[in-house]
This record gives sequence, C-alpha cells and structure tokens, in this order.
Amino acid sequence: GDSVTQMEGPVTLSEEAFLTINCTYTATGYPSLFWYVQYPGEGLQLLLKATKADDKGSNKGFEATYRKETTSFHLEKGSVQVSDSAVYFCALNGGSQGNLIFGKGTKLSVKP
Amino acid sequence: EAGVAQSPRYKIIEKRQSVAFWCNPISGHATLYWYQQILGQGPKLLIQFQNNGVVDDSQLPKDRFSAERLKGVDSTLKIQPAKLEDSAVYLCASSFTRGAGVNTGELFFGEGSRLTVL
Repeated sequence: GDSVTQMEGPVTLSEEAFLTINCTYTATGYPSLFWYVQYPGEGLQLLLKATKADDKGSNKGFEATYRKETTSFHLEKGSVQVSDSAVYFCALNGGSQGNLIFGKGTKLSVKP
Repeated sequence: EAGVAQSPRYKIIEKRQSVAFWCNPISGHATLYWYQQILGQGPKLLIQFQNNGVVDDSQLPKDRFSAERLKGVDSTLKIQPAKLEDSAVYLCASSFTRGAGVNTGELFFGEGSRLTVL
C-alpha cells in the first residue's frame, strides 16, 4: 500500500542554519504531497503542498519540490528560526477520498 | 472562523473502562476524520465520514472502537473496553469537499484528545 518515509529525528540546529528534512514516498498513481507542522501544544496544520510532479510548494520560507523520478518531497529552509521548532510530518493523498497517509514525523529544535 | 473543536483534551482511565471523545468540525466541512497518533508515530486514520455516512473504517478496531456522526456535523468516538495500547492522541480533522466529491487534500485538525490507559 501507499506509504511515506521521512528522516528520523530529532534534528537540532542553531538559528540561521540550513534545514533539510528528507521525505520519500511509495504510491500507486499520482498522489498529492504535503508537509504538515505541529507546534508545541497545537494541532497539526498544513505548511505546504504540491499536487503534481515538478510543482514546488512554499510557505513561511519553507520549500519542497515534488520529484516523481526520485519519489521524494524534501522540506528545506535556508535560515531557520527558534520559532520553527516543531514536529514536521510528510504526507500523501493518494485518492479521491482525501485521506492522508503520514510519515512518522521529525522533531526539529532550533537553538538561539 | 472557528477551528475544529475537540473534548476532552486529556483523559486518564483504567484498562477495560470506556471513554468517549467529541469533535465539532469547521462549519460547512462535509468530511470528518478520526486519526490515532501513538507517541513517536504519525497519525493513522481510524475512520472517515462524508456527511453522516462512513467512507472508510478499514483500520478501526471494531471490536472495541465505534464512531458516529449524527446529522452530519458533530462526531463521537468511543472506546470500550480500553486496552493499554490505546494510549494515544486522538485527532479529529475536517475538510471541505468540492461538489464533485474530490477533496482539496487540506485537512484542518483539532488540538487532539490525549488518552492514557493505566
């Protein structure tokens, strides 16, 4: 079945460091891909998405490009801030029912 | 715009007891989901409703879990009897469904209900 694999955490970075969180997927068909973020004490919220190959999703300085040839959707940010500390989930939506399949999550801690 | 509301936020029970969680989705969202998030794992779908009908409950442990969505709005998830392995955060989410039945893919989540089974 469809699945998402993302890099193990936790990830600890200093402020202004470059961030990459790897995500790869297995799916039949052509899923839409998502990054969700969960800040401490809050619910999951959509960070960015891409609905077809070569699309780039971006929001709040984060970017991810849908790479069909490598089945990847890596999350990147050029300069992280303390406020980016959160758990990041990669997910895919493989069908018309809208159900999301999530990776295990990667906890990011940014130190000042 | 009000978000997805869930209650209670925290619940501690003994094994074999029962518990119920309530969810009120965003107004106008036809699709409602219950996810289970065990510590250190990503959310896993338990059940999906479209209005008041069940779309997918293939991963719901039906011997102990039940869910309903009366009148296509609020939903309740019940566990009876609870087991130790049911300790998790139960997330409710909703999404807007376009007329053709194809979801936009964006789910809006509540803050979750954390269950501890002792």
